[in-house]
Amino acid sequence: DVKVTQSSRYLVKRTGEKVFLECVQDMDHENMFWYRQDPGLGLRLIYFSYDVKMKEKGDIPEGYSVSREKKERFSLILESASTNQTSMYLCASRRSLAGITGELFFGEGSRLTVL
Amino acid sequence: SQKIEQNSEALNIQEGKTATLTCNYTNYSPAYLQWYRQDPGRGPVFLLLIRENEKEKRKERLKVTFDTTLKQSLFHITASQPADSATYLCALDATNAGKSTFGDGTTLTVKP
Repeated sequence: DVKVTQSSRYLVKRTGEKVFLECVQDMDHENMFWYRQDPGLGLRLIYFSYDVKMKEKGDIPEGYSVSREKKERFSLILESASTNQTSMYLCASRRSLAGITGELFFGEGSRLTVL
Repeated sequence: SQKIEQNSEALNIQEGKTATLTCNYTNYSPAYLQWYRQDPGRGPVFLLLIRENEKEKRKERLKVTFDTTLKQSLFHITASQPADSATYLCALDATNAGKSTFGDGTTLTVKP
């Protein structure tokens, strides 16, 4: 079974702190994604990556950055956390074969609270 | 602007009935559409994928239809059970977009 593992299930941080959310997948997937999920707003795409060292902005990239130094790992970075970044963060991955993509495999989520 | 709408935030039905959830979209040219299930506090789990040239897909008690003229997908759960209670999300992948865009979800409650 494909496994997508997010490093922390629950985090509490202070405003202004730098926050790292780590995501690792074990199925050699090319594509990886970071979403945030908020009540009434659904899942919104923050950043995604087609391959190592590649990144693309999603719909709400402001206040976030990402890093993909290895194929299996995709990190989301909050340079200076703010209270409006309190949310559930979901990492996902999927295979990309000759431009054909398909189902997403999600991690269990990281619930971040910024005080 | 592009929009994905799922018919309602909540749907309550009696056990044994068929649940029908709707996903409507505007200003997309979708290559395919997916349905996911999400339980509280967990990540979404993939259920079904249907391509733009397919009308219908089935998997056990699940059935998805895709009408690109109406810009709508219907998701059916037949003989529903309390264990089917969850939030169901539809997601669109536009041609060459490389990313999935999600609707807000519909929370289904199946009462015994």
